[in-house]
Amino acid sequence: EAAVTQSPRNKVAVTGGKVTLSCNQTNNHNNMYWYRQDTGHGLRLIHYSYGAGSTEKGDIPDGYKASRPSQENFSLILELATPSQTSVYFCASGPGTGGQAPLFGEGTRLSVL
Amino acid sequence: AQSVDQPDAHVTLSEGASLELRCSYSYSAAPYLFWYVQYPGQSLQFLLKYITGDTVVKGTKGFEAEFRKSNSSFNLKKSPAHWSDSAKYFCALNTGANTGKLTFGHGTILRVHP
Repeated sequence: EAAVTQSPRNKVAVTGGKVTLSCNQTNNHNNMYWYRQDTGHGLRLIHYSYGAGSTEKGDIPDGYKASRPSQENFSLILELATPSQTSVYFCASGPGTGGQAPLFGEGTRLSVL
Repeated sequence: AQSVDQPDAHVTLSEGASLELRCSYSYSAAPYLFWYVQYPGQSLQFLLKYITGDTVVKGTKGFEAEFRKSNSSFNLKKSPAHWSDSAKYFCALNTGANTGKLTFGHGTILRVHP
């Protein structure tokens, strides 16, 4: 069964600390995405990837880095976390063809204190 | 620049009524449009999509949507509505050809009273 798995599901971090959010997909999809969801904004794209070794900036990349070490795994890294990065983060995967709907993970709730 | 507008932040109706959630988009090329549903505390689930062809598309859970190029809309419909349809609904536009990147509207929270 197609799946996108995120870890951790909940995270509390301190301001200035480093946070890594992980995502694993078993769909053999080329493309993976990181979005954040905030009240009043819907979902906004942070970074995405076309395949292992590639990362691309999305619409709101500032303060975030991404890493795609393999086809299956895509991480989002906050080197110096700030309270403004408190949000719910969703990872998604897709085959890379425009007509296919990306499949989303369960989300990670991050609080930066 | 591309954008998606869902003008109704909240919609409330009674079970058995017909529902229609509005979505309009702005995009210079042929759009690929999607609807997703998000139940409280859960992830986004795909409902349906419009790529090309028939302007009325059917999806899961009894939903359908009509693409209207004339007014750049892609409204989601269901009749009758059930209390279990209560959720947040997102309209999204593919803006990156084969990248699969989506631009989302802000979402509409639907509440169906039993």
